[in-house]
Amino acid sequence: AQSVTQLGSHVSVSEGALVLLRCNYSSSVPPYLFWYVQYPNQGLQLLLKYTSAATLVKGINGFEAEFKKSETSFHLTKPSAHMSDAAEYFCAVSELGSNYQLIWGAGTKLIIKP
Amino acid sequence: DGGITQSPKYLFRKEGQNVTLSCEQNLNHDAMYWYRQDPGQGLRLIYYSQIVNDFQKGDIAEGYSVSREKKESFPLTVTSAQKNPTAFYLCASRRQGAGGELFFGEGSRLTVL
Repeated sequence: AQSVTQLGSHVSVSEGALVLLRCNYSSSVPPYLFWYVQYPNQGLQLLLKYTSAATLVKGINGFEAEFKKSETSFHLTKPSAHMSDAAEYFCAVSELGSNYQLIWGAGTKLIIKP
Repeated sequence: DGGITQSPKYLFRKEGQNVTLSCEQNLNHDAMYWYRQDPGQGLRLIYYSQIVNDFQKGDIAEGYSVSREKKESFPLTVTSAQKNPTAFYLCASRRQGAGGELFFGEGSRLTVL
């Protein structure tokens, strides 16, 4: 069965430092990949998605992610963290075999230190 | 503006009571979903519907029920059979087909007293 692994339930970075949130998936076929952000007591908002076009995907708020098929990874990065980036981030994957249902990672809470 | 509206935002219920969470969308999406979110457990699928008058159980459907009488509406009832209903509930919708992303409502937080 398809699975998504987000390494680290909590990631802490200093303001201005690089943000790297890791996501690995288990699909054997090229999937569709998504990153979402959730602020406390709110719904999820799409940051970016990969749908088999460019492997480097740019999203909102300065985030980007790179699809690496050989590593089955879709890590999320941002060059310089801002206090407003503090939130929980979810990686998700969908594929044809599951009728495109989304399989979710457990989430990574990003903490920004001043 | 198009979007998904969930209500109520906060809800308190006594044990043994059923409660219904509302979800309305004006995005003209065919598919709608209900997720449950607990701390540290990510999102778990309760029910989903890909077309009016049809819906399927997700991973944790026990103790929940849904209906899909209109394209725009997908209410979730948390019944007294749900043993641990205190959670954050999220409704989402998306267009059918490959690569379509989910659009989420703001969520409903249910607390059982």
